[in-house]
Amino acid sequence: GAGVSQSPRYKVTKRGQDVTLRCDPISSHATLYWYQQALGQGPEFLTYFNYEAQPDKSGLPSDRFSAERPEGSISTLTIQRTEQRDSAMYRCASSSGNPYQETQYFGPGTRLLVL
Amino acid sequence: EDKVVQSPLSLVVHEGDTVTLNCSYEVTNFRSLLWYKQEKKAPTFLFMLTSSGIEKKSGRLSSILDKKELSSILNITATQTGDSAIYLCAANAGGTSYGKLTFGQGTILTVHP
Repeated sequence: GAGVSQSPRYKVTKRGQDVTLRCDPISSHATLYWYQQALGQGPEFLTYFNYEAQPDKSGLPSDRFSAERPEGSISTLTIQRTEQRDSAMYRCASSSGNPYQETQYFGPGTRLLVL
Repeated sequence: EDKVVQSPLSLVVHEGDTVTLNCSYEVTNFRSLLWYKQEKKAPTFLFMLTSSGIEKKSGRLSSILDKKELSSILNITATQTGDSAIYLCAANAGGTSYGKLTFGQGTILTVHP
């Protein structure tokens, strides 16, 4: 696609529910990143994929968070048993994976509110 | 732990003013430094800097990296109300965390008419 898209744009859920967020990267991009952005802060790295491989998930806050990219294109981020502290903007970014051209292009984000 | 700090945290100016935003970083395996402009939607890419002392320019915006001082500045000349946004600086650590960006907290720029 022309840019990175994410859905839903807004999600309100009750504490304890599971949520799944979706990211559709730029079609030619090999690498996909997930970030969490709290209000008034910069994005914080959660995990990334190189095609379908997930070399680094060190930023995932707990084992309630998981991400997939089974076919190396669309990715999902799932949060199980949501807690109020999970409320944040979740941003996806993609890049070509070319080490000399590492610009990451961001999607509009999913704003998650856990009540 | 990798760290990026931006200053000032917020800035209010009038149209036509020139502003300088600062970014300092402490990152292992530094690869590059990126600047983004964040408005209501996605952060939009401004610059990527890899070499020290080489200024990158785009219209009224310019940026430069100082690897000795572990810092970068973003200059905006003749500011306009459309420049009002949060400006984010991020360091790319490379190494085993290929492409992982560590962001600063951002500078909120408000330009009044």
